Amino acid sequence: NAGVTQTPKFRVLKTGQSMTLLCAQDMNHEYMYWYRQDPGMGLRLIHYSVGEGTTAKGEVPDGYNVSRLKKQNFLLGLESAAPSQTSVYFCASSYPADRSRRGYTFGSGTRLTVV
Amino acid sequence: KNEVEQSPQNLTAQEGEFITINCSYSVGISALHWLQQHPGGGIVSLFMLSSGKKKHGRLIATINIQEKHSSLHITASHPRDSAVYICAAPTPSNTGNQFYFGTGTSLTVIP
Repeated sequence: NAGVTQTPKFRVLKTGQSMTLLCAQDMNHEYMYWYRQDPGMGLRLIHYSVGEGTTAKGEVPDGYNVSRLKKQNFLLGLESAAPSQTSVYFCASSYPADRSRRGYTFGSGTRLTVV
Repeated sequence: KNEVEQSPQNLTAQEGEFITINCSYSVGISALHWLQQHPGGGIVSLFMLSSGKKKHGRLIATINIQEKHSSLHITASHPRDSAVYICAAPTPSNTGNQFYFGTGTSLTVIP
């Protein structure tokens, strides 16, 4: 089925460890996004990409890096995990410049716990 | 300052009740999105509406652009409607499709 696939779905890290979250979409969407969701705060944009080879900072980019080497993939990296990065991470994709007429497509989320 | 405010934050209803979730926003927009997030699951887009009313099954969404207010109604609620409902308004940014998200309304429907 077409959509956005995130891996892994769950992960527990120790403080200081690194990891990469993978987001893959098969809808040929130009735009891709990484969000984090924390209780009482709603979804907050970490980084986004408007096309292959491009990335940009969102609202809460510190402690994260991203790469968009292929149009269908958007990777989120944590170089040195901290307990404050315990959260649920969502990837999303969309068509460009069309936010008033089309909805986003979200992945199923990655629950990350940093101990 | 929250550009998008939802109420209530939590809602418990008996099966069969009529449910209303409200969303107010402070930014000028041409459309608003309603999203649904099931426990432990992903986020699904329910509606995108720019005026009037949209209906999908037992779900009805209305919007008043002038008053900057939208409502999501659920008729004849069912336990499977239990989820977090999120409204989202597009940002004025011209780069990327970015949204202001509400903090969500957690709905529990009791059998």
